[in-house]
Amino acid sequence: EDQVTQSPEALRLQEGESSSLNCSYTVSGLRGLFWYRQDPGKGPEFLFTLYSAGEEKEKERLKATLTKKESFLHITAPKPEDSATYLCAVQAGRGNNNDMRFGAGTRLTVKP
Amino acid sequence: DVKVTQSSRYLVKRTGEKVFLECVQDMDHENMFWYRQDPGLGLRLIYFSYDVKMKEKGDIPEGYSVSREKKERFSLILESASTNQTSMYLCASSLVNRPQHFGDGTRLSIL
Repeated sequence: EDQVTQSPEALRLQEGESSSLNCSYTVSGLRGLFWYRQDPGKGPEFLFTLYSAGEEKEKERLKATLTKKESFLHITAPKPEDSATYLCAVQAGRGNNNDMRFGAGTRLTVKP
Repeated sequence: DVKVTQSSRYLVKRTGEKVFLECVQDMDHENMFWYRQDPGLGLRLIYFSYDVKMKEKGDIPEGYSVSREKKERFSLILESASTNQTSMYLCASSLVNRPQHFGDGTRLSIL
């Protein structure tokens, strides 16, 4: 069965303190790996899609990378406005965009 | 810009009531999805639809049904609400094999 595990569950950083969030997955036939950001009381907001090992995507202070077993979301010099829950999801190589499994998320807090 | 709108942000209902949650998207997406989100469990797929009048069960369809009469609208129905259906419900839509875009959710409490 497809599984997605995110670690840590919660992460507290000082402003400017770079770190990484991890998403490990087991899936038969990865079609895509997705990162979302979710603010309290809001729906998830799409950040990145990664399709194959070695691929990297960047957006402002965020950089996502992908290997055959895991993905990392690197946060460089974070600011308080980066505080949110970050969700990872994988899409398997079958069906019509329906087999998407979400991890439980990492709750990031950045203190000024 | 992508827009998925859920009809209510907060809803309080009683055990045994029939509950309707509505979702509308304005992006002409083929796929629409209903999830529930509970602390520590992540998002779990209830039902999805890849075309008008088409539906498929997700991981936790028991106690729920859906309706998609028009491409832009996808309804989630709780046939007889129970307290264990208290949750955050999220609707999403997407093009085929593209990222899903989410609404802001409905926080449903069943008393």
